[in-house]
Amino acid sequence: DAGVTQSPTHLIKTRGQQVTLRCSPKSGHDTVSWYQQALGQGPQFIFQYYEEEERQRGNFPDRFSGHQFPNYSSELNVNALLLGDSALYLCASSLIRNRAYGYTFGSGTRLTVV
Amino acid sequence: TQLLEQSPQFLSIQEGENLTVYCNSSSVFSSLQWYRQEPGEGPVLLVTVVTGGEVKKLKRLTFQFGDARKDSSLHITAAQPGDTGLYLCAAFFSGTYKYIFGTGTRLKVLA
Repeated sequence: DAGVTQSPTHLIKTRGQQVTLRCSPKSGHDTVSWYQQALGQGPQFIFQYYEEEERQRGNFPDRFSGHQFPNYSSELNVNALLLGDSALYLCASSLIRNRAYGYTFGSGTRLTVV
Repeated sequence: TQLLEQSPQFLSIQEGENLTVYCNSSSVFSSLQWYRQEPGEGPVLLVTVVTGGEVKKLKRLTFQFGDARKDSSLHITAAQPGDTGLYLCAAFFSGTYKYIFGTGTRLKVLA
């Protein structure tokens, strides 16, 4: 049973560029959440998608946007990249009715902005 | 704004020692999870607690949920080098439907 898969694993971008990260949730899961994690810190919630709509959003600017597809996979887009956007981006999936009981995480995409 | 504070932030101990990590919030949460994360990987779920006062054990790890459901602790008995990692608590706040992570505790167990 495949868990959460994320691509790419590593990415280097230049300031001002745009980036798209991809996530396939665990089989059977319908909800995808995205988190940003700085080195040694806890993940910060970006947003959550369910039924192809953004349901919850954390304190991130509009440069961060996302999408969920009919097969439940998701994309995270970041425009006008800043040096401070360098981080590990984690995708997590769950069933909406079980979202209070924990998430399954992917291994993340390490984004470096230079 | 719901926040989860973990303490200590860093912990370096010798193999065989015991340790406790704390997770505190000013808000009541519906449920709480503990995760362990290794470098280059995503967090891995260790346990879920949902009832105030609940205690769960996972081999040498003991998890406790505070009676008021605003705090939790993780106790490791006879720590081993394999316990090294970043320990994260996370909670679901039913008022806002947000799932928030704690600030993290980085544990290093020396052989």
